[in-house]
Amino acid sequence: AAGVIQSPRHLIKEKRETATLKCYPIPRHDTVYWYQQGPGQDPQFLISFYEKMQSDKGSIPDRFSAQQFSDYHSELNMSSLELGDSALYFCASSLQRTKQYFGPGTRLTVT
Amino acid sequence: GESVGLHLPTLSVQEGDNSIINCAYSNSASDYFIWYKQESGKGPQFIIDIRSNMDKRQGQRVTVLLNKTVKHLSLQIAATQPGDSAVYFCAENYGNTGKLIFGQGTTLQVKP
Repeated sequence: AAGVIQSPRHLIKEKRETATLKCYPIPRHDTVYWYQQGPGQDPQFLISFYEKMQSDKGSIPDRFSAQQFSDYHSELNMSSLELGDSALYFCASSLQRTKQYFGPGTRLTVT
Repeated sequence: GESVGLHLPTLSVQEGDNSIINCAYSNSASDYFIWYKQESGKGPQFIIDIRSNMDKRQGQRVTVLLNKTVKHLSLQIAATQPGDSAVYFCAENYGNTGKLIFGQGTTLQVKP
């Protein structure tokens, strides 16, 4: 069965640079969620989209923005990167806000 | 083997034994709960879910118990296998946004 696809899988950036993470949900899923997971921590909700509209917002810094496109894929844009942004970033998708299926994640390292 | 409370992050069990992983959730209004399994470097993998109108749900080798009175959730794994070794997270959801609030993970180590 098709799963959530995330790209890139690994990303290395320097401080103050920008990064764009992409998420392709499971076909026919209409809701996308972004989570951030620091080393040894639980995933923290950042933001979600339902039918291309932002549906909820969590602890997402103002330096980050995201959107969901007409084909339901989503992008997380991160600017002015800081060392503390180094983490695993997961995208999850669901059908009408039911159980969420997670992608493999993007490991972002900021140096 | 059994984990207790939120501050015992590692549970070590013998292969073939049953495992019980516990979780205390935070919001009495939460109406949907999920257990996820996360292997190193991978995304959380859905195991089983339960809604607040139920107190028990069974899957293949796994059972989730929900006690709303004390806001407690547990995951029971029968006949634990080495492939079950991972970090296990409980997650709660309330309202219609689908946002999940994750609890502190428990690392399950299965000894052969």
